[in-house]
Amino acid sequence: KQEVTQIPAALSVPEGENLVLNCSFTDSAIYNLQWFRQDPGKGLTSLLLIQSSQREQTSGRLNASLDKSSGRSTLYIAASQPGDSATYLCAVLNQAGTALIFGKGTTLSVSS
Amino acid sequence: NAGVTQTPKFRVLKTGQSMTLLCAQDMNHEYMYWYRQDPGMGLRLIHYSVGEGTTAKGEVPDGYNVSRLKKQNFLLGLESAAPSQTSVYFCASSYGGGYSYEQYFGPGTRLTVT
Repeated sequence: KQEVTQIPAALSVPEGENLVLNCSFTDSAIYNLQWFRQDPGKGLTSLLLIQSSQREQTSGRLNASLDKSSGRSTLYIAASQPGDSATYLCAVLNQAGTALIFGKGTTLSVSS
Repeated sequence: NAGVTQTPKFRVLKTGQSMTLLCAQDMNHEYMYWYRQDPGMGLRLIHYSVGEGTTAKGEVPDGYNVSRLKKQNFLLGLESAAPSQTSVYFCASSYGGGYSYEQYFGPGTRLTVT
């Protein structure tokens, strides 16, 4: 059974720092990996999607990498801002495209 | 273009009552999903649909039923609500196929069963 783990569970950093969020998964047979952002009491916003054949994706200050063979992905946030404070979720899609398996998230707090 | 919408946003039920949650998407997506989010458990898939008239079970389907009579709508039903079904429910959709499996989520329905 696929399991997704995110470390750390919580992270506090001062504004301006570069940071890395980690995601690991147990079964490398995935279709893609998606990173989401969730603000308190809100829905999920898709940040980046990496296909299983890709190594990384970038959007603005965000860069996500994927190493499928080792079952790992990282989300790099450059020059963090207080507006980046949220919970970040990693999810892998099974090869049939029918189920996203989520990690429990990393709650990020960026102080000004 | 509203994306994925969910009705209602909040609901309180008593044990044994029934209700239906409505999800609608205006992106012409083939695939639709229902998840529940619980503290310490993360998001878990309840049921999904890969097209109009089709449904399938996810990880935690017990106590729920679904229907996809129209492509744009996906309904989640609770026939006899239990306190264990207190949760936040999210609907999602995706175009389906190839690169377009990216899932888009609705704002959620917060359900409390007393």
